[in-house]
Amino acid sequence: EAQVTQNPRYLITVTGKKLTVTCSQNMNHEYMSWYRQDPGLGLRQIYYSMNVEVTDKGDVPEGYKVSRKEKRNFPLILESPSPNQTSLYFCASRSLFSVPRTAEQYFGPGTRLTVT
Amino acid sequence: QQQVKQSPQSLIVQKGGISIINCAYENTAFDYFPWYQQFPGKGPALLIAIRPDVSEKKEGRFTISFNKSAKQFSLHIMDSQPGDSATYFCAASPNSGGSNYKLTFGKGTLLTVNP
Repeated sequence: EAQVTQNPRYLITVTGKKLTVTCSQNMNHEYMSWYRQDPGLGLRQIYYSMNVEVTDKGDVPEGYKVSRKEKRNFPLILESPSPNQTSLYFCASRSLFSVPRTAEQYFGPGTRLTVT
Repeated sequence: QQQVKQSPQSLIVQKGGISIINCAYENTAFDYFPWYQQFPGKGPALLIAIRPDVSEKKEGRFTISFNKSAKQFSLHIMDSQPGDSATYFCAASPNSGGSNYKLTFGKGTLLTVNP
């Protein structure tokens, strides 16, 4: 089954304790992205990657890091989490070279993070 | 700067009625306009999408109407069902040129369909 998986699904942590949220896709997609969803704000992009070793900032990158060492994985790293990073996080992926061409982005199930 | 404005924030309709959600965008570089449906505890899932070379796209009970000159697009759900109760997001993105294929989302509409 084609899917995007995220782990963990739920996480409660304390300020300053480094954490990593993993994202993996099995569709051989080149493009991957992280979004955060906050009430009344919709989804906002944090970081994206066009391919292995190619990453760039989205709209709200402060306090986050990413890496893309393998095509299927795109972890989100919070090196010193703060309460304002309490949010619902989604990983997404899409193909850049599919035939027929499609622009659909596939989303993971989400990770609910609480930082106290 | 909010580049995609979505209204209403919430919508209540009766079973069998028509649900209409509207979006407006500003960036003329956008050329892909999807609608996502999100159920509680789930990630957004693509519902239907349109490109600016057509003015309407219909898939089953769901129709997108697109007005390029007004930079507006809307989702119509015909014969709304209680199972359609979810949050709906409009979005827009560029789809060419090697740019970031970031989806710029509206703030969402919580649709409730009463039985």
